[in-house]
Amino acid sequence: DQQVKQNSPSLSVQEGRISILNCDYTNSMFDYFLWYKKYPAEGPTFLISISSIKDKNEDGRFTVFLNKSAKHLSLHIVPSQPGDSAVYFCAATPVTQGGSEKLVFGKGTKLTVNP
Amino acid sequence: DTGVSQNPRHKITKRGQNVTFRCDPISEHNRLYWYRQTLGQGPEFLTYFQNEAQLEKSRLLSDRFSAERPKGSFSTLEIQRTEQGDSAMYLCASSLGGSGGVEAFFGQGTRLTVV
Repeated sequence: DQQVKQNSPSLSVQEGRISILNCDYTNSMFDYFLWYKKYPAEGPTFLISISSIKDKNEDGRFTVFLNKSAKHLSLHIVPSQPGDSAVYFCAATPVTQGGSEKLVFGKGTKLTVNP
Repeated sequence: DTGVSQNPRHKITKRGQNVTFRCDPISEHNRLYWYRQTLGQGPEFLTYFQNEAQLEKSRLLSDRFSAERPKGSFSTLEIQRTEQGDSAMYLCASSLGGSGGVEAFFGQGTRLTVV
């Protein structure tokens, strides 16, 4: 049972345009969400996160939006650059419950930014 | 300290052999996690340490798997009697946890191939 879903396996955008990566979750206990970027043969690199008390968090070219009622979040990259080409993973965890804060990941979306 | 370090980066072993991987977390992080990633999937949680205590294990972690974190510093993950289904990328991550930061930082992983 996939608690975190990334329904688009791949996305292709032109350099300079906006990339929008989507993520849905089913577990109402999740209250902290993270995006990771992964290049082949490397570990995931943390990008940006958001707590459920917020609906938006911005860091440079990266913005994450959270819609709790829809159990949906998205990552916007503006402007997209060829170096952004990678697999992006959405992850979630229940923080306020305490415990391990283990991350539950989606299957990832492969982003290709074309020059 | 430059981040989470994992050794070896690659391991090829024959079915039935034992293998051991090492993870050195970010030094001030008291939380350490092991994840496993297979092709087309996101990382899946295996086990969690807070300092030297192993506090949570996934049902994915069969009795052939054992993890330790002596003295709350580096950690080892051992797989006994390897099977072809154990072939995967094994990822280690560390975090401060809680109010210190939920964000987990990953190492580059150990790619295991069982032949």
